[in-house]
Amino acid sequence: AQSVTQLGSHVSVSEGALVLLRCNYSSSVPPYLFWYVQYPNQGLQLLLKYTSAATLVKGINGFEAEFKKSETSFHLTKPSAHMSDAAEYFCAVTPEGFGNTGKLIFGQGTTLQVKP
Amino acid sequence: NAGVTQTPKFRILKIGQSMTLQCTQDMNHNYMYWYRQDPGMGLKLIYYSVGAGITDKGEVPNGYNVSRSTTEDFPLRLELAAPSQTSVYFCATTIKGQNTEAFFGQGTRLTVV
Repeated sequence: AQSVTQLGSHVSVSEGALVLLRCNYSSSVPPYLFWYVQYPNQGLQLLLKYTSAATLVKGINGFEAEFKKSETSFHLTKPSAHMSDAAEYFCAVTPEGFGNTGKLIFGQGTTLQVKP
Repeated sequence: NAGVTQTPKFRILKIGQSMTLQCTQDMNHNYMYWYRQDPGMGLKLIYYSVGAGITDKGEVPNGYNVSRSTTEDFPLRLELAAPSQTSVYFCATTIKGQNTEAFFGQGTRLTVV
């Protein structure tokens, strides 16, 4: 069965520093991968998604992620953190064998803290 | 457009009570989902629907029921509430399923005491 693992439940960075949030997946077929962000007391919103068109995916708010099949990873990065980036981030994958249902398997989430 | 609207935002239930969490979308999407979010566990799929009249179980369906009589509405019913159902519930929708953006409501925070 497919799964998603996010390494590190909490990540703390200084404002202006590099943000790196890690995501590894397990899948026997090419996956569909997503990063979602959740601000306090809000629903989730899409940051970016991997569609197999390009391994480096650019998203909103300056975030990007690189799909590495050899490492089964889809890590999220941002060159310079902003205070407004403080939120919880979820990596997700579409489960294999379920056709066009749009179901998602989520990782455990990573809370990003940005220090002034 | 309001997008995905969930009501209520907060609710406290006593053990054994029942309630319905409401979800309405004005995006004319066929696909709708209910997830629950527990600390450190990410989101787990409870039920989903690919269109009016069609529903199916997700990963954690026990203790819940759904119906989908219209494209817009996808209520989640809790029968005989239990403390294990204390969670934040999110309704979501996608336009065509796989590899498309999911749009989430703001959630319902439920506490069972």
